[in-house]
Amino acid sequence: DTGVSQNPRHKITKRGQNVTFRCDPISEHNRLYWYRQTLGQGPEFLTYFQNEAQLEKSRLLSDRFSAERPKGSFSTLEIQRTEQGDSAMYLCASSSQGVYTFGSGTRLTVV
Amino acid sequence: QQQVKQSPQSLIVQKGGISIINCAYENTAFDYFPWYQQFPGKGPALLIAIRPDVSEKKEGRFTISFNKSAKQFSLHIMDSQPGDSATYFCAASIGGAGSYQLTFGKGTKLSVIP
Repeated sequence: DTGVSQNPRHKITKRGQNVTFRCDPISEHNRLYWYRQTLGQGPEFLTYFQNEAQLEKSRLLSDRFSAERPKGSFSTLEIQRTEQGDSAMYLCASSSQGVYTFGSGTRLTVV
Repeated sequence: QQQVKQSPQSLIVQKGGISIINCAYENTAFDYFPWYQQFPGKGPALLIAIRPDVSEKKEGRFTISFNKSAKQFSLHIMDSQPGDSATYFCAASIGGAGSYQLTFGKGTKLSVIP
């Protein structure tokens, strides 16, 4: 499968815990994006990388959120001190020639 | 402020019928308008996209109609099939297809009944 891979698919965590998600983009895509999708809403932009450089961050990305793409390949999104409001689907996408390919997402539930 | 407004929230269409989903935008700087299809448990997948210099684009059973003066665009699904049952999102971006940020509508849940 040469699509965008996200792990884990589901994560349940207790409030206050830290969580980390991983995204493996399509190998030849140099742009990588993170979006968040809550129930009944469209995806909302969080941040994006051009190769290993993080070039833009949404104001939705509070100080508790950090994203990395250390070698311009896979990316991680970490949420520290999770809150119930962080419960959502976290989508990763990569793009080439302007065409986005989304992964299936990581569904986070904070209890 | 919601920059892309989508309607209806849900839609039920009989098999073989036409499904129509509408979107309106506010930011005149938007210059790329894609539609995405999302099945449960999956990420959105690009369906069809249009630029504002074109009033209509057709790909198979899917057509985008674009009205620049009204700042509206719509998706028409002809001969709707049960396999089309999914959530559809319109989106918009600035900077063409190479933009880094898509602004999505809230989605329309389409159910096609046999």
